[in-house]
Amino acid sequence: RKEVEQDPGPFNVPEGATVAFNCTYSNSASQSFFWYRQDCRKEPKLLMSVYSSGNEDGRFTAQLNRASQYISLLIRDSKLSDSATYLCVVPYTGANSKLTFGKGITLSVRP
Amino acid sequence: GAGVSQTPSNKVTEKGKYVELRCDPISGHTALYWYRQSLGQGPEFLIYFQGTGAADDSGLPNDRFFAVRPEGSVSTLKIQRTERGDSAVYLCASSQYPPGELFFGEGSRLTVL
Repeated sequence: RKEVEQDPGPFNVPEGATVAFNCTYSNSASQSFFWYRQDCRKEPKLLMSVYSSGNEDGRFTAQLNRASQYISLLIRDSKLSDSATYLCVVPYTGANSKLTFGKGITLSVRP
Repeated sequence: GAGVSQTPSNKVTEKGKYVELRCDPISGHTALYWYRQSLGQGPEFLIYFQGTGAADDSGLPNDRFFAVRPEGSVSTLKIQRTERGDSAVYLCASSQYPPGELFFGEGSRLTVL
């Protein structure tokens, strides 16, 4: 299994839809996880952190399933402004603290 | 400025030339990361500094790539004998408490002709 794998995309949904992305990881020792958002031709920015079973922020919910080694991001009531690429990020413990990014999932929300 | 600053924002060079890309992290951030991103891909890890030392350089693709951070602040990514396959956006990020939130610069877009 690759270090981080994300659902293939792109996703094209109407405004108001609920959409979910999944991301699997290979290192069972990883303790914290992140979702980043990247707009077209811009740098990635942190969207949410996931340290335990889950985290909710408004329309966004991130969940962690340690047994199956995957994290998910749920977006409810999609807005046009949610159109972007969503990257899951998995760090590795110990002295090797590199953070590995998934390939990214592109979401397009249409009117 | 308050954010991560990268220069140049764009660099066009010829195959075989030497290139330096500079990153000025957020003041006080001890961790500094270099990534590169090709079109349609996520950022690919290159190297991570904690202070002045390279804590993990396992992502550097070959010995043409080298990075330094001599005083624990500004970092320079150096690419020798550039190849067309090196064309990408090189992103620098800093963090205060790794592996916490990364703050990215706007990137340096390298084009090798």
